[in-house]
Amino acid sequence: DAMVIQNPRYQVTQFGKPVTLSCSQTLNHNVMYWYQQKSSQAPKLLFHYYDKDFNNEADTPDNFQSRRPNTSFCFLDIRSPGLGDAAMYLCATSSAHRGKLFFGSGTQLSVL
Amino acid sequence: GENVEQHPSTLSVQEGDSAVIKCTYSDSASNYFPWYKQELGKRPQLIIDIRSNVGEKKDQRIAVTLNKTAKHFSLHITETQPEDSAVYFCAAGENKLTFGGGTRVLVKP
Repeated sequence: DAMVIQNPRYQVTQFGKPVTLSCSQTLNHNVMYWYQQKSSQAPKLLFHYYDKDFNNEADTPDNFQSRRPNTSFCFLDIRSPGLGDAAMYLCATSSAHRGKLFFGSGTQLSVL
Repeated sequence: GENVEQHPSTLSVQEGDSAVIKCTYSDSASNYFPWYKQELGKRPQLIIDIRSNVGEKKDQRIAVTLNKTAKHFSLHITETQPEDSAVYFCAAGENKLTFGGGTRVLVKP
């Protein structure tokens, strides 16, 4: 089945230790998004790629970076995780002309 | 940018009753309005969506209405069941969606 896959499902890192979360898709969608969701809150858009064009949200901290080496893969890099970065990170894709989001299962990040 | 307000934040209904959740948005350029259901620890699941050229859409027990002039849209769930208990999010935009704050719905048997 075509889908959005996130690995790992759970990630534990240490305060200040760089961590990378990964997302892959088989839908061949040209838009990929990273959302941060803290407990009981709405998903918050960090950035998205429209093909190779990177679009950062104005309030996304510099600590968060992203890479999209090809259509299928997208990575979220957190350079120096703080305790406040503990959250569920959701990857999503969409076809530019339709807008409907397809979410991955998310990666639950814990920072110790 | 877009700003989406969602009310109420919590909603408790008796099984079989109806539930209504309301959202307002700020950007008149937004033309896509989905609703997501999220169970604890799981991904948001799209349950229904509407585009700005449509005023109302229904899918079995779920319906969504949109008032573009007033910039608000609503989710209606009829004949609620315990499995409808979850957090519901509205969103607005097009290729970039902004989510409302969520409504925690509890359906009491």
